[in-house]
Order: sequence, then C-alpha cells, then structure tokens
Amino acid sequence: IQMTQSPSTLSASVGDRVTITCRASQSIFGYLAWYQQKPGRAPKLLIYKASSLESGVPSRFSGSGSGTEFSLTISSLQPDDFATYYCQQYKSYSPWTFGQGTKVEIK
Amino acid sequence: EVQLVESGGAVVQPGGSLRLSCAASGFTFEDYGMYWVRQAPGKGLEWVSFINWDGGNIYYVDSVKGRFTISRDNSKNSLHLQMNSLRAEDTAFYFCAKDMERFMDTLPRDWGQGTLVTVSS
Repeated sequence: IQMTQSPSTLSASVGDRVTITCRASQSIFGYLAWYQQKPGRAPKLLIYKASSLESGVPSRFSGSGSGTEFSLTISSLQPDDFATYYCQQYKSYSPWTFGQGTKVEIK
Repeated sequence: EVQLVESGGAVVQPGGSLRLSCAASGFTFEDYGMYWVRQAPGKGLEWVSFINWDGGNIYYVDSVKGRFTISRDNSKNSLHLQMNSLRAEDTAFYFCAKDMERFMDTLPRDWGQGTLVTVSS
C-alpha cells in the first residue's frame, strides 16, 4: 500500500490553521496514524485510528478521514509545531508504510 | 516510563555485518511486539522489521529479506537486529519502537532515539 502526502513543504505562521493530507493507494479503512518528528529526534505519535488523539497531545491537533483520504489539522499553529509530519498505514502488516513526510516551516 | 535505548551503530564496509540492540525498560517487554524503523539522513521513515510478542510472527521489508534477522530475548528485555551483507543504501538511523497494544500487531507508539549505521568503504 502506497501512502502519498501533500504538500511536501508547507510555509505557515504562528496562529495559522494548517491541514496536511494523506492518500492511500487502496482502502485502509481507519488504520492510519500521524507522527511528528523534529530534527535529531525520534518520531512522536500524535494520532491513531485516523482520529484518536494520543494521550498528552494538545487538542489543537486533529485527524479525520477513512478509506483512502485522510487529513491532519493543526487548528492554531504554535512555535513548537514546526516539524515534519508523517502519516503511516497499519492495515497491512507487511509492509507498514509511511508517507514521504510534510515539513511545516516558518513563513 | 517507557525507555528504549538502541546501540551497536557503527561505520562498516559494504558487505560487512553489524548487530544492533535495543534495551527496553518501563513496561512488560514480553507482552509487546517490537519494530525496527530506519531513516536515511535527510530522508523519510522506512519500516524495516517487526517481531511479535513471542517471536512467532516476524516480517521484513523486501529490501532486507535474507540479509537482516530480527530477534528478541524476553528474559533480558532486549531486541536485536542482525544485519549482514550490508549495502550503501542501508546507511540510516535505526530506531527501535514498541507496539501500541499488548499481544497485537498494530503500530509503533514509543520510540528510541536511534543509532546510526553508516555503510561506506
């Protein structure tokens, strides 16, 4: 299963609402996760089951979608949110596949 | 608190071997599936291998099949990745990660900080 994210890079300002999309090459139902990664750090799980917020993750992050189309929205971008975001499908065990990543940078 | 600490990364020549380890603590290791995920410098994430809680189910990405072997020692709370016939394209940070749910194959939730493997002559 191929995962395609868009855009690859997103320039935004603090306070902006931003949305990242992820498309699967076939239906993955709701088996989609979103991760945040900062330079030199391990990925951090934000969202699982397409829309379930991981414990401790701020409520400005939300996920939606099912089937083949998914999105991650940050309702009001904060300085700590500038990072790279990856979607990952886990419907098919082998292989688990990630999107290519979306870098959110300061405008 | 879940802690995952990778070790064993090094510079190795093409065709060489390396064994990565991941020391786990802060959870009941024997209850969880474990992953290896890699990231080439400046690139995206790539799942490499998975082993379920008792070692009965093991999966690999096609590009490492026949060269890499994942294993675990539940008595020592440790995960390993034996890497043979290494290629330049195996150069990456290697992360170990813990599954989200006990006795299930779902997704990586908790991650270590990674160890760097460089394959170069």
